[in-house]
Amino acid sequence: EVQLVESGGGIVQPGGSLRLSCSASGFTFNNYWMHWVRQAPGKGPVWVSRIKSDGTIANYADSVKGRFTVSRDNAKNTLYLEMNSLRVDDTAVYYCARWGSVAGTFDYWGQGNLVTVSS
Amino acid sequence: DIQMIQSPSSLSASVGDRVTITCRASQSISNYLSWFQQKPGQAPNLLIYDASTLQRGVPSRFSGSGSGTDFTLTISSLQPEDFATYYCQQSYSFPLTFGPGTKVDIK
Repeated sequence: EVQLVESGGGIVQPGGSLRLSCSASGFTFNNYWMHWVRQAPGKGPVWVSRIKSDGTIANYADSVKGRFTVSRDNAKNTLYLEMNSLRVDDTAVYYCARWGSVAGTFDYWGQGNLVTVSS
Repeated sequence: DIQMIQSPSSLSASVGDRVTITCRASQSISNYLSWFQQKPGQAPNLLIYDASTLQRGVPSRFSGSGSGTDFTLTISSLQPEDFATYYCQQSYSFPLTFGPGTKVDIK
């Protein structure tokens, strides 16, 4: 069974940093692109970042470029999102999601992890 | 960026009703369109990809159609577990974008 379990969220002040982790199991992690998607309270999901299966390519939404860094450790089956210079409008539930090679979209999602940026 | 528009933003329906939700892209996205269902406190769940292909395990009362800029999601006979918010999402180009959602609640 495919499972994605996130951790690392919490409350942080504006300008602060936080690292999210996403532990994967039930599939061959190093065969898949992985993504981060966030959802502000009461809003639709918003794509944040993606990373290639071998970690050699990473892309970001303009809103987080230069502040967030996605990475992965395929030996540990874990995806990361390093978030720096956090702003109030980064407040959201952050999901890791697998990119399905057949579906060509997000076929499995983690349970979500709330990040609150507030003074 | 490709903008996704959904209508209606919300609807009230009864169990057994046929429900149709529409999604329009700001430019042609071929058939690179997916539909997700989200219940409160849960992650989105993939229902349909490539505009009309049912994800494994999704009930056959869900169907999708369309190509280019206009798409629809149809629930042929609404069940109690279908009350949720539905999002369309395009995979044609980056940044990937979602619609604002359609909330389906009980009449």
